[in-house]
Amino acid sequence: GDSVTQMEGPVTLSEEAFLTINCTYTATGYPSLFWYVQYPGEGLQLLLKATKADDKGSNKGFEATYRKETTSFHLEKGSVQVSDSAVYFCALSERGGGSNYKLTFGKGTLLTVNP
Amino acid sequence: NAGVMQNPRHLVRRRGQEARLRCSPVKGHSHVYWYRQLPEEGLKFMVYLQKENIIDESGMPKERFSAEFPKEGPSILRIQQVVRGDSAAYFCASSPGQGSSYNSPLHFGNGTRLTVT
Repeated sequence: GDSVTQMEGPVTLSEEAFLTINCTYTATGYPSLFWYVQYPGEGLQLLLKATKADDKGSNKGFEATYRKETTSFHLEKGSVQVSDSAVYFCALSERGGGSNYKLTFGKGTLLTVNP
Repeated sequence: NAGVMQNPRHLVRRRGQEARLRCSPVKGHSHVYWYRQLPEEGLKFMVYLQKENIIDESGMPKERFSAEFPKEGPSILRIQQVVRGDSAAYFCASSPGQGSSYNSPLHFGNGTRLTVT
């Protein structure tokens, strides 16, 4: 079945450092790919998504590119802030077109940014 | 403007007891999803409901688990005769269900942490 493998945490960075959280997936067909973020004490929120190969999702300075050849969707940010401290989840949907139906999630990566 | 409300936040049950987890979707949302996160794993889809209907329960264990989303009131995930392996975080999400509902953003609750002793 479908699966998502993401970088194990925790990840600890200093403010303004470069962030990469790796995510690879296994799926049949052409899934949609997502990054969700969970801030302390809150529910998961959609951060960005990509619906087809070579699409780049971006939001709040975060970016991720849908790479079909490497089955990857790595999350990057050029300069992290303390407020980015959260748990980040990579996810896929077995349906394409941006569908969020029956998402499969990775285990989550805890990011802590120190001032 | 309340988001998805789940309660309780933490629930402790002894083996053999019943657990009831509640989810109130965002006001006006008619679609509800339940996900489970076992320790050291990612969230896994359990069930998708619309008002008074179960649309897809392919992720639900075949026994002891049931879900409902009545016309009035919250969605309930019920686990009968709980076992230690049911200990997990259970997340509810809702979406508007209008137009192309599968592309509508999902709104997640904070989850219910179930511990079975």
